Amino acid sequence: AQSVTQLDSHVSVSEGTPVLLRCNYSSSYSPSLFWYVQHPNKGLQLLLKYTSAATLVKGINGFEAEFKKSETSFHLTKPSAHMSDAAEYFCVVSDPHGNKLVFGAGTILRVKS
Amino acid sequence: DTAVSQTPKYLVTQMGNDKSIKCEQNLGHDTMYWYKQDSKKFLKIMFSYNNKELIINETVPNRFSPKSPDKAHLNLHINSLELGDSAVYFCASSRDSGQGADTQYFGPGTRLTVL
Repeated sequence: AQSVTQLDSHVSVSEGTPVLLRCNYSSSYSPSLFWYVQHPNKGLQLLLKYTSAATLVKGINGFEAEFKKSETSFHLTKPSAHMSDAAEYFCVVSDPHGNKLVFGAGTILRVKS
Repeated sequence: DTAVSQTPKYLVTQMGNDKSIKCEQNLGHDTMYWYKQDSKKFLKIMFSYNNKELIINETVPNRFSPKSPDKAHLNLHINSLELGDSAVYFCASSRDSGQGADTQYFGPGTRLTVL
């Protein structure tokens, strides 16, 4: 069985400061992990994806995530927040075939000016 | 061109009605999915089809019936709508590369409101 826990339901940062969105996963096998972003009233957009290659994954819009097997974590970071980053972020774990995605509960990121 | 499209974007209907949501992808993908996002924004897979064949059915009530006329389309028909069916429904698609977890591309969502 697989599951994802996003440790913070809401994160608030000031524009220009670093972003950290935390995610822990549980998986019976070597996981594939994703971060998706959902802007208000919009669909889901893939930010980045880990599939057992490099443990540090770079995504779009300056985001990156590091896979840490020992900590079963896949935290999302960005060095400097921008107002346009305000959205909801979902950490996702997949079965090896990618057919079944299991979503975390989401973290709402607020960026203050 | 939109990669994964859904119609309608909004759907408001009365309890007991039957409605359909359509999904089309122009990415040439082999696998399509339906997800439900409830009022708390929790997303859960409902169905998955690969080349028109059902491969995942996550214990969804049989009032929900997906139909895949071809591999570019996966429609969702819902009978006897209930208040609890109100949600945002997302369609998605992915390749079937056979090389691990392929990325799923999501449509814009259909907001269903049952009154």
